[in-house]
Amino acid sequence: AQKVTQAQTEISVVEKEDVTLDCVYETRDTTYYLFWYKQPPSGELVFLIRRNSFDEQNEISGRYSWNFQKSTSSFNFTITASQVVDSAVYFCALTRFSGGYNKLIFGAGTRLAVHP
Amino acid sequence: NAGVTQTPKFQVLKTGQSMTLQCAQDMNHEYMSWYRQDPGMGLRLIHYSVGAGITDQGEVPNGYNVSRSTTEDFPLRLLSAAPSQTSVYFCASRPLDADSNQPQHFGDGTRLSIL
Repeated sequence: AQKVTQAQTEISVVEKEDVTLDCVYETRDTTYYLFWYKQPPSGELVFLIRRNSFDEQNEISGRYSWNFQKSTSSFNFTITASQVVDSAVYFCALTRFSGGYNKLIFGAGTRLAVHP
Repeated sequence: NAGVTQTPKFQVLKTGQSMTLQCAQDMNHEYMSWYRQDPGMGLRLIHYSVGAGITDQGEVPNGYNVSRSTTEDFPLRLLSAAPSQTSVYFCASRPLDADSNQPQHFGDGTRLSIL
């Protein structure tokens, strides 16, 4: 069965601290995609990144970076120099590659609070 | 530039009432889906559709019906509301491409309370 585990329920940091959100997944598929979504206090879901199972290169986008390691089935998300605007719930998700009929399997989410 | 539009944004129902949550998208996406978000459980797939006239069940379909008569619309029906269906509901859409990797576009959600 496919599963996404975000073991950190809540994280609290002070502004400018670096913070890493963990994501561990389980899948039997050889081809799959991983996603991160952000849900700010306003409630909408904002797409951040997708990564396919063949691309293990780390990615950096401004203060955000992602570390994908197939060996440990992890897709961790790091925010450098956190800001108050980063406060949100962050979801990691896994999709099954199946002829276009993919389904997103979400983790339970990690609530990040960044304090001034 | 509407994207995915959900109505209503908030709704309170009594146990046993029925209602329809509306979802419309203007991006001509073939794939549409409904999720519910509950504390500590992330988002769980209720139903999805890969085109007009085609729907299928997700992880938690019981108590919900869907239909897809047009590409644009994908309503979710609660047949007889129960307190366990109190949740935030999200509709999403994406293109149905060959490699299934397109990120989904989400609506702003419908917050539903069943008393």
